[in-house]
Amino acid sequence: QVQLVQTGPEVKTPGASVKISCQASGYTFKNFVLHWVRQAPGQRPEYMGWINGGNGNTKYSQIFQGRLTITRDTSANTAYMDLSSLTSEDTAVYYCARGLTRADFWGQGTLVTVSS
Amino acid sequence: IVLTQSPGTLSLSPGERATLSCTASQTVNNNYLAWYHQKPGQAPRLLIYGASTRATGIPDRFNGSGSGTDFTLTISRLEPEDFAVYYCQQYDYSLMWTFGQGTKVEIK
Repeated sequence: QVQLVQTGPEVKTPGASVKISCQASGYTFKNFVLHWVRQAPGQRPEYMGWINGGNGNTKYSQIFQGRLTITRDTSANTAYMDLSSLTSEDTAVYYCARGLTRADFWGQGTLVTVSS
Repeated sequence: IVLTQSPGTLSLSPGERATLSCTASQTVNNNYLAWYHQKPGQAPRLLIYGASTRATGIPDRFNGSGSGTDFTLTISRLEPEDFAVYYCQQYDYSLMWTFGQGTKVEIK
């Protein structure tokens, strides 16, 4: 069965960076796009960007331009989300999700807390 | 594209019918409109995609309809496990997703 397993919770200080991984199993990694979505407490999901598992092409929401990098390692069936220059407003649960026009499978989420 | 959901909260009893609305600020590309529900501490779960197609394993009490800018999710008879927050999501020509602000379906 399809599974997306993310790294555990992170606590960061303002100005730091965070890198979260999303390891896929149960399907052919190169055949699908993986997206990153975050959700602050009590808020709607906020879209961040995607990576094509096959060719590595990426696209980022303009909200995160310059701070967000999404990469993948096809040998490990893993995608990575790297967000820099963190502030308290980046405190949220970060999800990876598989799909193109919609998310048919989600990771379990990674809580990132930014606090001094 | 901005998605606006209504109402913000729906207070209903088990067995009742729920009707949720999602309105887009522009025509949704190819009706690429999906619905999810989310329970506390969990990731969203896909219910409907392509405006009206049920995802795998989703019971037939969930029905999606609409096209263009106006979409509806109907739950014919609420079960206890259906009380959650519901989000609509669209995919557009910029190859990005946007989400509505959510409708909370709570027990009356």
